[in-house]
Amino acid sequence: GQSLEQPSEVTAVEGAIVQINCTYQTSGFYGLSWYQQHDGGAPTFLSYNGLDGLEEKGRFSSFLSRSKGYSYLLLKELQMKDSASYLCAGMDSSYKLIFGSGTRLLVRP
Amino acid sequence: ETGVTQTPRHLVMGMTNKKSLKCEQHLGHNAMYWYKQSAKKPLELMFVYSLEERVENNSVPSRFSPECPNSSHLFLHLHTLQPEDSALYLCASSQDEGTGANVLTFGAGSRLTVL
Repeated sequence: GQSLEQPSEVTAVEGAIVQINCTYQTSGFYGLSWYQQHDGGAPTFLSYNGLDGLEEKGRFSSFLSRSKGYSYLLLKELQMKDSASYLCAGMDSSYKLIFGSGTRLLVRP
Repeated sequence: ETGVTQTPRHLVMGMTNKKSLKCEQHLGHNAMYWYKQSAKKPLELMFVYSLEERVENNSVPSRFSPECPNSSHLFLHLHTLQPEDSALYLCASSQDEGTGANVLTFGAGSRLTVL
């Protein structure tokens, strides 16, 4: 079945910008979403890209290229509270969300 | 209460026990989901209910039995589980089961340990 690949861990400095990538087999998904999950917490919806291009929401932006099977989440002006896992999820042909393994972001002072 | 509420938050059970996980959503959503989250693995979709009707059973063993008595409540009945079933079980809801399923609202999860 379809799968999404993410780096397992990323480290960045407070105040910096970090990009978290997500790749998948092309033509696999209708759209791509990003979720944030703090340790011990519930995943919370961050953004959705149904079409190619950049979606911006405050400090967070998400980009999608369906032809390349590639998405990224961009976090600007990093804060300590941004330390969490970030999950990408693609919607398959039966409208079910398939999740990646998640990228653990560690923000250092 | 608002959002999606799951109880219990933590559960320890033996392999011969029978227990249930409960999920309640206060969002007026029409679709509800059970996901399993194990360490270092992607979220695994287990069951999908749309308007109280099961629309997906993702090859889940019969020792997991879902129940959706109405659009606001979802249960996961557990019996004769195995230690490898220990995981975080997440309930989620969405406006509908189609394109609206891109935006899921999750509960905080029930951490299950099977001894």
